[in-house]
Amino acid sequence: EDKVVQSPLSLVVHEGDTVTLNCSYEVTNFRSLLWYKQEKKAPTFLFMLTSSGIEKKSGRLSSILDKKELFSILNITATQTGDSAVYLCAVSHSGSARQLTFGSGTQLTVLP
Amino acid sequence: DGGITQSPKYLFRKEGQNVTLSCEQNLNHDAMYWYRQDPGQGLRLIYYSQIVNDFQKGDIAEGYSVSREKKESFPLTVTSAQKNPTAFYLCASSPGGLKTDTQYFGPGTRLTVL
Repeated sequence: EDKVVQSPLSLVVHEGDTVTLNCSYEVTNFRSLLWYKQEKKAPTFLFMLTSSGIEKKSGRLSSILDKKELFSILNITATQTGDSAVYLCAVSHSGSARQLTFGSGTQLTVLP
Repeated sequence: DGGITQSPKYLFRKEGQNVTLSCEQNLNHDAMYWYRQDPGQGLRLIYYSQIVNDFQKGDIAEGYSVSREKKESFPLTVTSAQKNPTAFYLCASSPGGLKTDTQYFGPGTRLTVL
């Protein structure tokens, strides 16, 4: 059975801190790993990673994938209160439907 | 504007009733998905459809039904057979095929059974 595990489950930091969110996976025929940000409603897409060692970066957010060790990290530098959200990790596997298996998420709270 | 819309935003249902959640997209995406999210949990796949007039069960399809008569529409019916339907329901779409794995989500419907 495919499995995606995120840690920590929740995290409270102060503005300006740097955080690292973790995602490990066990998936048959791995294809890609995706990160989403969810603020109360619809998850919004952040990154998709398919190759090991290549960092994807967007502003203060960056992510990297390790296909050998089967994990990914999401880094957020200089956190702001607007970064408060649930961060979801999902993995897709080769096959016709491009289904995603989601982790349970990390609840990040950034205090002023 | 292009995007995915879901309605209603909030829905209350009495036990024993069927309810239908709407999902529409104007992104010209081939694939559409329905997920359920419970508090503190990730998303679980209910049903998905890769093309019109075709759909497959996901991990938790029991008590749910769908149709895909049009490319832009993928309604979900929560039937009385679903034992614990209170949850947040998210619809998503994707270009499908080999183009990308990225799915784009609607704003969700929060269903409460009274």
